[in-house]
Amino acid sequence: EEQVLESGGGLVQPGGSLRLSCAASGFTFGDYAMSWVRQAPVKGLEWVSTISASGQTTYYADSVKGRFTIFRDNSKNTLSLQMNSLRVEDTAVYYCAKAPLLFGWFDPWGQGTQVTVSS
Amino acid sequence: EIVLTQSPGTLSLSPGERATLSCRASRSVSSNYLAWYQQKPGQAPRLLIYGASSRATGIPDRFSGSGSRTDFTLTISRLEPEDFAVYFCQQYGSSPGSFGQGTKLEIK
Repeated sequence: EEQVLESGGGLVQPGGSLRLSCAASGFTFGDYAMSWVRQAPVKGLEWVSTISASGQTTYYADSVKGRFTIFRDNSKNTLSLQMNSLRVEDTAVYYCAKAPLLFGWFDPWGQGTQVTVSS
Repeated sequence: EIVLTQSPGTLSLSPGERATLSCRASRSVSSNYLAWYQQKPGQAPRLLIYGASSRATGIPDRFSGSGSRTDFTLTISRLEPEDFAVYFCQQYGSSPGSFGQGTKLEIK
């Protein structure tokens, strides 16, 4: 069974940093692009970032460009999201998801990790 | 960015009834690159449909997707108790991909 499992969320002050991790299993991790999608109560679902299967190409939503960095370790089947200069509006549940196409649908999703940015 | 508008916001039906959920795009979705997801409280979204009409692995055939260009529909032919949830559409034909705001399907 294909699975992804996020970790690393928490409470952080505005301007702070946090690193999210995602452990994948049940599929050949290095064959697929991976993405982060977040869900906030008011804004709904929002694509955040995608990384190619090799890790050589990355894409970001305008709202996080220059502040977030996505990277992966194919030898360890892990995906990460380094979040710097966090803002209150970054508060959301962050999901890791496998992307069968570089720009496509997401399947499966992890259970999500809560990130709260507040003073 | 393509804006997706889902309707209705809430749909109240009984088990056994047919559900029809709409997703309208602000401009044409390239190659019918549209997906549907189901989300239950406290859970992650689950892929139901991709490519507007292709069912994901393991999804019962009571779920079907249709439509093209700007108008898409998710139909659940006969509602089962486990189908009451929130449903989202997503377009991935134009960057950045975008999601609709969701339709809540509740038990009448």
